Amino acid sequence: TQLLEQSPQFLSIQEGENLTVYCNSSSVFSSLQWYRQEPGEGPVLLVTVVTGGEVKKLKRLTFQFGDARKDSSLHITAAQPGDTGLYLCSGFLIQGAQKLVFGQGTRLTINP
Amino acid sequence: EAQVTQNPRYLITVTGKKLTVTCSQNMNHEYMSWYRQDPGLGLRQIYYSMNVEVTDKGDVPEGYKVSRKEKRNFPLILESPSPNQTSLYFCASSLSYALAGDNEQYFGPGTRLTVT
Repeated sequence: TQLLEQSPQFLSIQEGENLTVYCNSSSVFSSLQWYRQEPGEGPVLLVTVVTGGEVKKLKRLTFQFGDARKDSSLHITAAQPGDTGLYLCSGFLIQGAQKLVFGQGTRLTINP
Repeated sequence: EAQVTQNPRYLITVTGKKLTVTCSQNMNHEYMSWYRQDPGLGLRQIYYSMNVEVTDKGDVPEGYKVSRKEKRNFPLILESPSPNQTSLYFCASSLSYALAGDNEQYFGPGTRLTVT
């Protein structure tokens, strides 16, 4: 059972379009991170969200943490070919033993 | 330069031949972790260590061993590799295993292991 469900798992769009990637769970997280991974490299942190309802912006990327801290979204405005990559969400579960979990990832391709 | 290094980057081996993948970080991080990455499954935690001589199982520890004798090193040992351990492996470290906050994990470049 995947504790963090990412959707979609694959997304291919044209340059200039907008997109949203979702990270959902039935569990509550103390914080949630978004990573980006390039081929042949390890994931690199983009952002951490901690407070329910929090919104963070990183240039054309907007990250939101759900009010109940069970879900998060990543929105990219005017996508560019350089945004192509694997996007991963991860989080620290708040119940029981501290546990770090990852979503399956969203493979994003931006076509010129 | 702050980094996590892994060796080897690529390894092809045969079933049953013991192997070790090394991981080292130069950031004086307390927390280190090993993950495997498989298509459709994302990153799954194998083992983690909160500090020297403190290790614990993650989600998929079967067939793996680890040790943390020094703060900077966290080797992953496969005593008797099997084909289902063919995967992409990542080592990661972070300052501490804090409950919340910007607890960024720094990942190594990955080790692609093939067991035939």
